[in-house]
Amino acid sequence: QKEVEQDPGPLSVPEGAIVSLNCTYSNSAFQYFMWYRQYSRKGPELLMYTYSSGNKEDGRFTAQVDKSSKYISLFIRDSQPSDSATYLCAPAADKLIFGTGTRLQVFP
Amino acid sequence: ETGVTQSPTHLIKTRGQQVTLRCSSQSGHNTVSWYQQALGQGPQFIFQYYREEENGRGNFPPRFSGLQFPNYSSELNVNALELDDSALYLCASSVDRAFYEQYFGPGTRLTVT
Repeated sequence: QKEVEQDPGPLSVPEGAIVSLNCTYSNSAFQYFMWYRQYSRKGPELLMYTYSSGNKEDGRFTAQVDKSSKYISLFIRDSQPSDSATYLCAPAADKLIFGTGTRLQVFP
Repeated sequence: ETGVTQSPTHLIKTRGQQVTLRCSSQSGHNTVSWYQQALGQGPQFIFQYYREEENGRGNFPPRFSGLQFPNYSSELNVNALELDDSALYLCASSVDRAFYEQYFGPGTRLTVT
């Protein structure tokens, strides 16, 4: 079993839709939970991170962590074509463990 | 504020050769971590450098080695290249060994033939 599981997609949605991206993990030691966005042939860009369980909001993005079920979510409101990218979850204890990434396509 | 930079952008090497990749950390950051990202996969942690010493290593063989310099820039060296080493190599910088708030460079794409 992989430490972090993430559906690779692709996930295709119309502009303006609410997008839900999810990961599950197995290591109870994870305390920090990061979301990165990666455009094709670029390095990952840190979107936001949360510590322990709970929600965090930043503009159109909301990150949610449920440590009891080992479930991580990222919600994108009012999705835009410019949001089309691969989204990587990355929980961390003593190092970052990345999921495989979910490819999101937002069409006009 | 200067972001993380990496050089070269692309590199083609032959199996068995050695390669050195370079990374300059973001201004004010004293920690550099290196990752390998194979096509269609998430980045995998290779190692982290803090105060010029290795501070944690992932599941990579000793032929992957690194250095950090007093100005916090870093090198990744890979000896005896194998075809499976073909990947995007990413470095990320942060402050005081933190794994949260790591900022990535654009990467070096290495192709081994």
